[in-house]
Amino acid sequence: ETGVTQSPTHLIKTRGQQVTLRCSSQSGHNTVSWYQQALGQGPQFIFQYYREEENGRGNFPPRFSGLQFPNYSSELNVNALELDDSALYLCATPAGGNTGELFFGEGSRLTVL
Amino acid sequence: GENVEQHPSTLSVQEGDSAVIKCTYSDSASNYFPWYKQELGKRPQLIIDIRSNVGEKKDQRIAVTLNKTAKHFSLHITETQPEDSAVYFCAASLGGSEKLVFGKGTKLTVNP
Repeated sequence: ETGVTQSPTHLIKTRGQQVTLRCSSQSGHNTVSWYQQALGQGPQFIFQYYREEENGRGNFPPRFSGLQFPNYSSELNVNALELDDSALYLCATPAGGNTGELFFGEGSRLTVL
Repeated sequence: GENVEQHPSTLSVQEGDSAVIKCTYSDSASNYFPWYKQELGKRPQLIIDIRSNVGEKKDQRIAVTLNKTAKHFSLHITETQPEDSAVYFCAASLGGSEKLVFGKGTKLTVNP
């Protein structure tokens, strides 16, 4: 099983603040995706990074941005936080073997007050 | 863009009964359809998936069927057990990419 570690696990911010969430993969995949899961909803695709370049983006505003580093760890940054940004943010990497399966990390739960 | 509809939103069954969850998708280019199980406070975990070149796939008590013409796919769980209680999500790939569009989830409760 591919280990995907996310940090922090929980955090609380106030409206207008900025947040950075982090993700690292034990196996160092060159592809990482970020999803937002609001309470009671399915995960929604935010964007994907492949070899440090953004490779597709969902319906999220530019204040959602990301980075992928040479060691393939990744960050999700959200500026000017809004109440509706409260959600579980999930990082996912391919499980390997060209199966198409995505392996999700445990997520970072963000609460915006 | 792709849209995935999932029904029902909640499902309650007695232990030992079968459970069926249905999804429809809109993008005819979608070629990968996974099902994820998410327990409270946990990450989504893949339980079964199917590709568009296959009509049915089974893994012990879990099966998935795909009807490409009608653009719908279903999850079947037989001989349900209390530990099957969770939220189940269907998803469809955006075209042939690795990006997934998820349904809104089905909360399954298996009563002992």
